[in-house]
Amino acid sequence: AQSVTQLGSHVSVSEGALVLLRCNYSSSVPPYLFWYVQYPNQGLQLLLKYTSAATLVKGINGFEAEFKKSETSFHLTKPSAHMSDAAEYFCAVSVHGSGNTGKLIFGQGTTLQVKP
Amino acid sequence: NAGVTQTPKFQVLKTGQSMTLQCAQDMNHNSMYWYRQDPGMGLRLIYYSASEGTTDKGEVPNGYNVSRLNKREFSLRLESAAPSQTSVYFCASSAPNYEQYFGPGTRLTVT
Repeated sequence: AQSVTQLGSHVSVSEGALVLLRCNYSSSVPPYLFWYVQYPNQGLQLLLKYTSAATLVKGINGFEAEFKKSETSFHLTKPSAHMSDAAEYFCAVSVHGSGNTGKLIFGQGTTLQVKP
Repeated sequence: NAGVTQTPKFQVLKTGQSMTLQCAQDMNHNSMYWYRQDPGMGLRLIYYSASEGTTDKGEVPNGYNVSRLNKREFSLRLESAAPSQTSVYFCASSAPNYEQYFGPGTRLTVT
């Protein structure tokens, strides 16, 4: 069975500081992994995805994540936070089973606050 | 190309009333999903449809029914709304590589 855990429901950084949002997953098969961002009162938008190609994945808005199989992690980083990065971030892992249902399991989310 | 659209955007119901949330996608995706989002609980899958003509229960299906009307449309029905169903509801569809595309959401309040 697959699962995903996001460490820290709330992260606060100063503008210009490093952003690090943590995600650990559990999967009995090679997973696909995703980070989504949700701005207030909006739907979820894909930031980046890992689908078994390069382990360092670059996404939109300067974000990137590294797939580390030995640590079962897929942490999201950005070198320098911007005020516009304030949002909720969700990590998700693919559910593999009979048939390709495309299902994902989502973490509980991490709210990123950026202070001026 | 509108992606995933949902109607209505907001709804207030009284306990016991019924309603249907509509969802449509124009990306020719086979799979579609209904989630609910509650504070601190992430997204929880209510029902999904892996292809036209099939539907399956997700994590929290009680109190809901769905219909996959055709490849584009996937509706969610609350037969007798309860305050516990106050939530934000998202519809999504997915490409074959598991990448999901989300609608803007429906904010439902049940009083």
